[in-house]
Amino acid sequence: GNSVTQMEGPVTLSEEAFLTINCTYTATGYPSLFWYVQYPGEGLQLLLKATKADDKGSNKGFEATYRKETTSFHLEKGSVQVSDSAVYFCALKGDRGRRALTFGSGTRLQVQP
Amino acid sequence: KAGVTQTPRYLIKTRGQQVTLSCSPISGHRSVSWYQQTPGQGLQFLFEYFSETQRNKGNFPGRFSGRQFSNSRSEMNVSTLELGDSALYLCASSFEARSETQYFGPGTRLLVL
Repeated sequence: GNSVTQMEGPVTLSEEAFLTINCTYTATGYPSLFWYVQYPGEGLQLLLKATKADDKGSNKGFEATYRKETTSFHLEKGSVQVSDSAVYFCALKGDRGRRALTFGSGTRLQVQP
Repeated sequence: KAGVTQTPRYLIKTRGQQVTLSCSPISGHRSVSWYQQTPGQGLQFLFEYFSETQRNKGNFPGRFSGRQFSNSRSEMNVSTLELGDSALYLCASSFEARSETQYFGPGTRLLVL
């Protein structure tokens, strides 16, 4: 079946540091890939997505590239802010069978001023 | 356009009781999915509805059920509550079942005592 593996957290960074959160996946076919963010006490917000190989999703300074050869979708941001502190979830949606989202375990990011 | 709304936001029940949670999707969206989020199991898919029909179901016992109404609003019901049912229940909507992107509501936090 489909699965998503994320790096363990928490990730603690100073403001303006570079961020990378690793995400790899296992899926048949050509899934779509997503990053969602969850702020304390809230639901999930879509951060970015990519629907085919080599696509780059980007939003609010965050980027992730769909790498089929390495089955990865790593999240990056050049300069984090305190307001980026949240839990980040990598997810995939398969292109066949059950098309529900499969999520990684989430990575908590803490940005210190 | 208003986002996905879920009611109630918080709920406390005791073991053996049943509970009904409600979700109103984004206007025009016809697909609604439900997810359970717990610290131990992470985010897990419960079921998906489209045009009043259950299209997919996750690996949850029959105590978990749902339905969708003609206006696309959805409810999920959990009968004979167990302590382990304590979780954040998230509803997500998309335009149609094959849409790539799901938009999440703020969730209903259920505590079972």
